[in-house]
Amino acid sequence: AQKVTQAQTEISVVEKEDVTLDCVYETRDTTYYLFWYKQPPSGELVFLIRRNSFDEQNEISGRYSWNFQKSTSSFNFTITASQVVDSAVYFCALSEENFGNEKLTFGTGTRLTIIP
Amino acid sequence: DARVTQTPRHKVTEMGQEVTMRCQPILGHNTVFWYRQTMMQGLELLAYFRNRAPLDDSGMPKDRFSAEMPDATLATLKIQPSEPRDSAVYFCASGLSRTGADETQYFGPGTRLLVL
Repeated sequence: AQKVTQAQTEISVVEKEDVTLDCVYETRDTTYYLFWYKQPPSGELVFLIRRNSFDEQNEISGRYSWNFQKSTSSFNFTITASQVVDSAVYFCALSEENFGNEKLTFGTGTRLTIIP
Repeated sequence: DARVTQTPRHKVTEMGQEVTMRCQPILGHNTVFWYRQTMMQGLELLAYFRNRAPLDDSGMPKDRFSAEMPDATLATLKIQPSEPRDSAVYFCASGLSRTGADETQYFGPGTRLLVL
């Protein structure tokens, strides 16, 4: 069975600090996808990134970066120079590939608060 | 800007009443998911469809919940009779399952249900 663990329940940092959100996953499949979603106070789930299991290259998108390491089954998310608008709950999720776009297993989320 | 739409956005009802939630997936998407979010359980999959056929509804209480896709542009989730423990935010998501496609699930804004 697949499982996603986000050990950090809540994190608070002062604006402009860097912050890393941890995600550890378990799966028996060799082909799978990892995701990060953001849930701001308004409640919607916003897609941030998708990474397949064969692509271990780190990715950077503006102030966001992701570090995927299969050796430790981790897919960590770093926000550089955090801003108040980054305050949200962030979910890591895993999808096992059987026929594409399979169901997501979510972690419990990390609530990030950026203090002005 | 294609989006998943859900109606109603908010619903307050009394225990025992029937509740119907609707979802319009992104045009062209062939996979539709229903998730439920509660404080205790987090985000959990209830059911999902591909090409309108149910693929997995193991997460759904069968005695009171039912999910259907009358056509490719409409998915429904019904609870009958509703109970206070059904109070949650119900998210619909859609995606495209096809070789080479962007296999990402895009979420609607959710239906916030309160059963009194």
